[in-house]
Amino acid sequence: GAVVSQHPSWVICKSGTSVKIECRSLDFQATTMFWYRQFPKQSLMLMATSNEGSKATYEQGVEKDKFLINHASLTLSTLTVTSAHPEDSSFYICSAPEIVFPGANVLTFGAGSRLTVL
Amino acid sequence: GNSVTQMEGPVTLSEEAFLTINCTYTATGYPSLFWYVQYPGEGLQLLLKATKADDKGSNKGFEATYRKETTSFHLEKGSVQVSDSAVYFCALTTGTGRRALTFGSGTRLQVQP
Repeated sequence: GAVVSQHPSWVICKSGTSVKIECRSLDFQATTMFWYRQFPKQSLMLMATSNEGSKATYEQGVEKDKFLINHASLTLSTLTVTSAHPEDSSFYICSAPEIVFPGANVLTFGAGSRLTVL
Repeated sequence: GNSVTQMEGPVTLSEEAFLTINCTYTATGYPSLFWYVQYPGEGLQLLLKATKADDKGSNKGFEATYRKETTSFHLEKGSVQVSDSAVYFCALTTGTGRRALTFGSGTRLQVQP
């Protein structure tokens, strides 16, 4: 089946630095990718929709200047957490639609990237 | 807007016990409903789905029926195994095209031998 690869799977950084997380669709093209954030023991919250060749669409309350999203190709989207602070520590998950059929789509998820900001 | 409500966990069962994880939703329009599973250290995987009322999704012994009248999509399995221990997420999407999912809070299942 379709595979979405996320890298790195975990990263520790110092406060004030920037961290880039990559999301790749390995065997299919993804004109759209979704970035979620998951807090411990909580649900996944949609942060933004990444669109190949155009600007990302951010959900309400998500700082677009802090969470930079670039969808450079049909198989790669990146999330950069700029000037990271401890409150940005979280589990970030990307996903891409694998199948689109009338009425629904099925999302394939990456394994996630755990960010810890010291 | 759309929302999904799941029963809180953790749910702890003995092997071969019957499992029910409740899920109810509110949505604009006619949603498609999903159950995703997250095993320790892994990404979310689609477990089953249903796209219209009265549809039953099933996979690996798990079942869920799309109940429009009660806006529910409860997950059931007749006999759980230790390997079913994971976090289960109910989710929905509305509209067509490449739409994001709205997730419930997740329910952790722990199956003891």
